[in-house]
Amino acid sequence: QVHLQESGPGLVKPSQTLSVTCTVSPGSISSADYYWGWIRQHPGKGLEWIGYIYYSGNTYYNPSLKSRVTISLDTSKKQFSVRLSSLTDADTAVYYCARYLNLGDAFDIWGQGTMVTVSS
Amino acid sequence: QSVLTQPPSVSAAPGQKVTISCSGSSSNIGNNYVSWYQQLPGTAPKLLISENNKRPSGIPDRFSGSQSGTSATLGITGLQTGDEADYYCGTWDSGLSAVVFGGGTKLTVL
Repeated sequence: QVHLQESGPGLVKPSQTLSVTCTVSPGSISSADYYWGWIRQHPGKGLEWIGYIYYSGNTYYNPSLKSRVTISLDTSKKQFSVRLSSLTDADTAVYYCARYLNLGDAFDIWGQGTMVTVSS
Repeated sequence: QSVLTQPPSVSAAPGQKVTISCSGSSSNIGNNYVSWYQQLPGTAPKLLISENNKRPSGIPDRFSGSQSGTSATLGITGLQTGDEADYYCGTWDSGLSAVVFGGGTKLTVL
């Protein structure tokens, strides 16, 4: 069974850039069957899609975050990452990585999530 | 304000059946597959239903999904106290070019 694990800084300062990495094990992230995505959840709120990346490197972002988001893939390390710039306290949330089924249009496997707090 | 509209809460007694609605538009539910997720307290979401009505391996048949027009419905039969969770619908929105989720529905099993 594929397992996803996020690693993040926990606390970041306003105006800085957040970087969170997701490690996929076992298996490959170079399959055409999946996208690799990020979703966040503000405290006590619902789910917000950040974006996802295909094995080819093609990326798709939430229009509301597009100007500040970059998702990248490192196939050799079986990792993918999200960077979010110009942070404000509104970016405080749990950040989840998840696998998206290309033909199923659903996030079928999720990481446990990592809490990120933006505060000075 | 979420693109997909869900009731904030639903409740029912153990053993009973409940349905959770998800209302959208032609740019999302009307022309794209809907998925449903269960989020137990303090945990990550878990896929319950994909492609409107398909259950992944390991999901009991007490959970079902349907779609009609611009709305989708999650049904849960034989309610158990362990089903108490937040439930989210999700789909692709062709107009926004984005994955969108409903605001979530909190299920209470009385």
